[in-house]
Amino acid sequence: GENVGLHLPTLSVQEGDNSIINCAYSNSASDYFIWYKQESGKGPQFIIDIRSNMDKRQGQRVTVLLNKTVKHLSLQIAATQPGDSAVYFCAENMAGAGSYQLTFGKGTKLSVIP
Amino acid sequence: AAGVIQSPRHLIKEKRETATLKCYPIPRHDTVYWYQQGPGQDPQFLISFYEKMQSDKGSIPDRFSAQQFSDYHSELNMSSLELGDSALYFCASSSKTYNSPLHFGNGTRLTVT
Repeated sequence: GENVGLHLPTLSVQEGDNSIINCAYSNSASDYFIWYKQESGKGPQFIIDIRSNMDKRQGQRVTVLLNKTVKHLSLQIAATQPGDSAVYFCAENMAGAGSYQLTFGKGTKLSVIP
Repeated sequence: AAGVIQSPRHLIKEKRETATLKCYPIPRHDTVYWYQQGPGQDPQFLISFYEKMQSDKGSIPDRFSAQQFSDYHSELNMSSLELGDSALYFCASSSKTYNSPLHFGNGTRLTVT
């Protein structure tokens, strides 16, 4: 089947810098996208989501951008902190509102250098 | 805030044994999902339940079964365990009624020896 993929498997950034994590998806039928953060030994933690009728959504220190033309999703983290170090997954969903058969990407490991 | 609770956190079983994993969703969440995450892999959807009925089925082996009970907790039953079943098993919950995002528990790490 079609998969969500990630451009960069690892990313190292200096503390205080901004981070950008990218994701490419291939299924144009996907209508809902989520970014998750996963720390070692823990489950994926919801960060931010976006629906296909939007191209940008902002949260606290995070922004998700959706470019449906090129099927690209990105997560921007402002003023990256050591606590942001984790694996970040993007996930897409096609099952309609409220039902989540998520297809996850392969994950990007973010390392923050103090 | 209450989160998704999974038990046990760690489980060690031998080949051909059975295992039961439990999941307690966030209060007022009506939908439960099970995912499997192999070492270094992304989570893979197994199965989901809405209002105690199976909702969707993913890559769940025939050796596995699951159900959701009247109190909305769910159990994943795994039989004839194989070495390849060693993985993290996550439960997640959401509310269709309130269209909430999917929230995950911290998982059960199953090791089959």
